[in-house]
Amino acid sequence: AQTVTQSQPEMSVQEAETVTLSCTYDTSESDYYLFWYKQPPSRQMILVIRQEAYKQQNATENRFSVNFQKAAKSFSLKISDSQLGDAAMYFCAFYRGMSGGSNYKLTFGKGTLLTVNP
Amino acid sequence: DTGVSQDPRHKITKRGQNVTFRCDPISEHNRLYWYRQTLGQGPEFLTYFQNEAQLEKSRLLSDRFSAERPKGSFSTLEIQRTEQGDSAMYLCASSPDYRRDTQYFGPGTRLTVL
Repeated sequence: AQTVTQSQPEMSVQEAETVTLSCTYDTSESDYYLFWYKQPPSRQMILVIRQEAYKQQNATENRFSVNFQKAAKSFSLKISDSQLGDAAMYFCAFYRGMSGGSNYKLTFGKGTLLTVNP
Repeated sequence: DTGVSQDPRHKITKRGQNVTFRCDPISEHNRLYWYRQTLGQGPEFLTYFQNEAQLEKSRLLSDRFSAERPKGSFSTLEIQRTEQGDSAMYLCASSPDYRRDTQYFGPGTRLTVL
């Protein structure tokens, strides 16, 4: 079974600064996908970024980028130029790829609550 | 392109009552998922549909829970004889065939069992 660990329950950052959220995972699979989702207070889960494990290049989406270290099973999220609207709970999630057989679920970490200070 | 919608957004019920939630996935998304999220935790998988077929169920889905997707479009999740431990946010997600790994979530139904 896969596990996802987010070791930082809470983080804070000053507006316009950069923050990095950590995520590690445990799997014996070689084909998988990793995600970061954002869940603002009382609002729905939004996909932030997606990484395919077979791709060495780190994914980027505007101010959001990841540092994917496959051997270390580490998948951190960097938010540059932080904005007040970035304040949310951030979840790291794992999805086993097609070669892993029938498995359809996302496995989530417990989340990191990000506060952005003005 | 409308997103995943869920109804109701909030439900308060008394212990022992039955409740039913509805999820409408993104149009043409064949894959639909239900998750449960309790306070301070990440979502936990409950069940998965491909079209109208329920292909996977978590052990979290006790006998009191049942889910359907009768015509491969919307889905319902019913909880019978609710217990206080059922209080949680119930999330629905959908994904397309061409990128089945990427799930898009609805706003959730927050259930409170008194």
